[in-house]
Amino acid sequence: DAKTTQPPSMDCAEGRAANLPCNHSTISGNEYVYWYRQIHSQGPQYIIHGLKNNETNEMASLIITEDRKSSTLILPHATLRDTAVYYCIVRPYNAGNMLTFGGGTRLMVKP
Amino acid sequence: DTGVSQDPRHKITKRGQNVTFRCDPISEHNRLYWYRQTLGQGPEFLTYFQNEAQLEKSRLLSDRFSAERPKGSFSTLEIQRTEQGDSAMYLCASSLGEGDREQYFGPGTRLTVT
Repeated sequence: DAKTTQPPSMDCAEGRAANLPCNHSTISGNEYVYWYRQIHSQGPQYIIHGLKNNETNEMASLIITEDRKSSTLILPHATLRDTAVYYCIVRPYNAGNMLTFGGGTRLMVKP
Repeated sequence: DTGVSQDPRHKITKRGQNVTFRCDPISEHNRLYWYRQTLGQGPEFLTYFQNEAQLEKSRLLSDRFSAERPKGSFSTLEIQRTEQGDSAMYLCASSLGEGDREQYFGPGTRLTVT
């Protein structure tokens, strides 16, 4: 799996958009970008994934650059409950096997 | 959908003892994964099953570790002769087979070896 680079920590004001960047400059053509998050003392939770088009679901939006070397996860209106570690992962779709987690970004949403 | 469950949630054991953890995946999920997470790090893959077949094992899974999924439903992870370095959170996840997009994680079992 390609490696990813994320800032170790970020702060965001409650109610504002949280923009979490991820660099994946060695991504292959068949690899998707996945985002998971892990709230303290819980298991990781899937957020969203995409290949090259921007994606949106009820939790977040994923913006992937045209060259696919980087992406941004957007939480449009961050709440205190969004405080968590966010992991950006690249892997082939249907790989069916392991997820390779990096260090992630610790997002702190502040009132 | 009751989610992935793990038992126990916490385990304290003395060095040299054997421990066994159980994971119950979401019903009809045929893939089951085990991960280990140490403090401040992301989860690390250990092994995964497709139904009852163990298809992949990480080099992290030493000879002291064994995992089973005898009937393709629940799974157990056993650690023999525990060492202090085994102290970690052990996470289980499950997913549907081909075409799955996400793994559903359980709450984990926190192991402390004293």
